[in-house]
Order: sequence, then C-alpha cells, then structure tokens
Amino acid sequence: QVQLQESGSGLVKPSETLSLTCSVSGASTSSGRYTWSWIRQPPGKAPEWIGYITHSGSTSFFSPLKSRLTMSLDSSSSQFSLRLTSLTAADSAVYYCARSHLLYAFDYWGPGILVTVSS
Amino acid sequence: EIVLTQSPGTLSLSPGERATLSCRASPGVSSGFLAWYQQRPGQAPRLLIYGASSRATGIPDRFSGSGAGADFTLTISRLEAEDFAVYYCQQYANSPWTFGQGTKVEI
Repeated sequence: QVQLQESGSGLVKPSETLSLTCSVSGASTSSGRYTWSWIRQPPGKAPEWIGYITHSGSTSFFSPLKSRLTMSLDSSSSQFSLRLTSLTAADSAVYYCARSHLLYAFDYWGPGILVTVSS
Repeated sequence: EIVLTQSPGTLSLSPGERATLSCRASPGVSSGFLAWYQQRPGQAPRLLIYGASSRATGIPDRFSGSGAGADFTLTISRLEAEDFAVYYCQQYANSPWTFGQGTKVEI
C-alpha cells in the first residue's frame, strides 16, 4: 500500500526558510511512471499545486513561487523534499506531498503538515 | 492558466438524494485530464475520478464523472452520510495544474 508522510518545521518566522520532507513507502520514487508533487492549502481555501520533481530530478514549479522554491529527491531513501525561502504570512497553509501521474492525477496524498509563518 | 469554476458553492441535500456538481474550465481541458477529489474536515483530499469519468481504486459506483472540453460534472447517485464533504475538481492537462474553489455538500 502506497503511503506518504510529511515532516518538517511547523512554525517558521517571516523571511526564514521552510524545509519539508516527504517519506514514501509502498512505491518507488525511482520509477519513471510518476512525479512527486507538493500541494498547499490555506485554511478554508482550495488546494494549490506548488510543483513536482521526477525520478531523474527534473522539476516543474508554479511560476509565482519559482524564485523561492527548490525541490530534491533521494531515491535511495525514498524521500523528496521542498525548500521555500523568504516566507511571509501568505505562505501559511497545510502542505501536502502527493504522488502524481500523467493519467491518474494526484492518486496518493500524505496527511499534510500545518505550516504557520509567524514571529 | 486554466481557471476552474465550480458551482454551486454549497449544496444542501439529504441522505439518499442525488447530488450534481459542476466544474467549468476556461479555457477548456484537453483530452479529459480532469479529476475530482473529496475532502472531509481535517483530512487530505481523496481522488475519486480521473480522466473525467474513470473511478479511482476503491471508489463506490455511486460516484460518477462526465463531461469534456469546458464542462464537467460529478454525480453522486444516492448520498450517504460519509459523502457530506467538500469536492474539488482539478485539471492536469496544462501546467500549472489548477483546482476549482470547491463545492460543499452539506446536510
């Protein structure tokens, strides 16, 4: 059974950097069939796709976040990570990692991690 | 960017009734790359429908999707208690992948 689990800092100060990791079990992050995505959801709002990384390390990012965003993948540990710099209150949200497929959209999600940007 | 507009914002129904949710895309979504998700309070979204009309693994057959191009529909044939939740459509035809603003199905 495919499972994803987010971990990382839940409280971050303004202007600082958010670092999150997603641990994957039951699926191989080295498979070329899938991409590995981050999605965030501000309280009471719709989800927003942030970006994805492929098994080979190629990335695609949501343009408004591109200058602040880095993603990496470590297939040996079945983990992929997100790094978002220069945080503001607008970045406060539940952050989800998810498996994405060309045909099947986001078929597996982690439970999410609440990130609050506050001093 | 493809903008998805869902209607209605809230749907008030009773168990056993039929729910019809709409998702309009502008511009249209090619090749039916449209998905529907269910989100219960405090939980991650769950994939219900992909490719506009294919049910994801383990999804009951009371959930069905239809549509193409600019207009898509999610139908829940007979509402059960656990179906009262927020539903989102999402397109994955073009980057950035975008979500609709959601329809809340309430009792």
